[in-house]
Amino acid sequence: DTAVSQTPKYLVTQMGNDKSIKCEQNLGHDTMYWYKQDSKKFLKIMFSYNNKELIINETVPNRFSPKSPDKAHLNLHINSLELGDSAVYFCASSPAGEDTQYFGPGTRLTVL
Amino acid sequence: AQSVSQHNHHVILSEAASLELGCNYSYGGTVNLFWYVQYPGQHLQLLLKYFSGDPLVKGIKGFEAEFIKSKFSFNLRKPSVQWSDTAEYFCAVSPKGYQKVTFGTGTKLQVIP
Repeated sequence: DTAVSQTPKYLVTQMGNDKSIKCEQNLGHDTMYWYKQDSKKFLKIMFSYNNKELIINETVPNRFSPKSPDKAHLNLHINSLELGDSAVYFCASSPAGEDTQYFGPGTRLTVL
Repeated sequence: AQSVSQHNHHVILSEAASLELGCNYSYGGTVNLFWYVQYPGQHLQLLLKYFSGDPLVKGIKGFEAEFIKSKFSFNLRKPSVQWSDTAEYFCAVSPKGYQKVTFGTGTKLQVIP
C-alpha cells in the first residue's frame, strides 16, 4: 500500500539515450511534482501538475517532458541524456489546497 | 520569489546534546513552513509543518519548531538527539495559495554515539 511509488529505483544509461521514469500515487491527491536532487543534496522543483494540467514549469531543458495521463500518475521522459542529468529524481504529491509534499522513494539516474 | 537559507551546512553532535537548526526565509507575504528529514539513502519525510495558529509546532520524533514572524525564521529544535537522528534536514517555504514549495540547501546532522 505504498503511497507514492516510482519506477525504476535505479537507472544507469549512456549519454544520448532516451529514458522514462514513472510515478504513481494512491493518496487521491490532486497535485503531483517532479524534483531533482543533485549530488550536494540540493532539491529543486522541476514541474508540477494539478489534475493533469501543467502549473509549474521551472527552467528545465526541453529535453525533459512530463506527462500526466491521469491525476494519479506523472511520468518524466528525458531525451538525449547528458552527464549533468545524473541525479536523484523525486516524485511527490500534495492534497488539494495544501502544500505538504509526500515524496516517493526516488530514482537514481546515472548517465555514463 | 521566495527563498530559504539554512546557515548550518554540517552539524556534529554527541548523543543527548540539544539541537537547534536555523532556517530563515525571504518572502513578503504569508507562508506555509515545513521541515523535512532525509535519512541516508531514503526519501524526504515530513517532520512538522506550520500553516497558522500557535507558532510553536510539535512534530514527530520529539522535534519542534518555532515560527518567529518578525525574524522570518523557523528554527528546528530537539532537546536530546539520538544516533538515529543522523540525517539531512531540509527547511521549506511555500507562499500561501501558490502550491510551490522552495527548499533550503539542507543541513547534514551527524550524531556521534
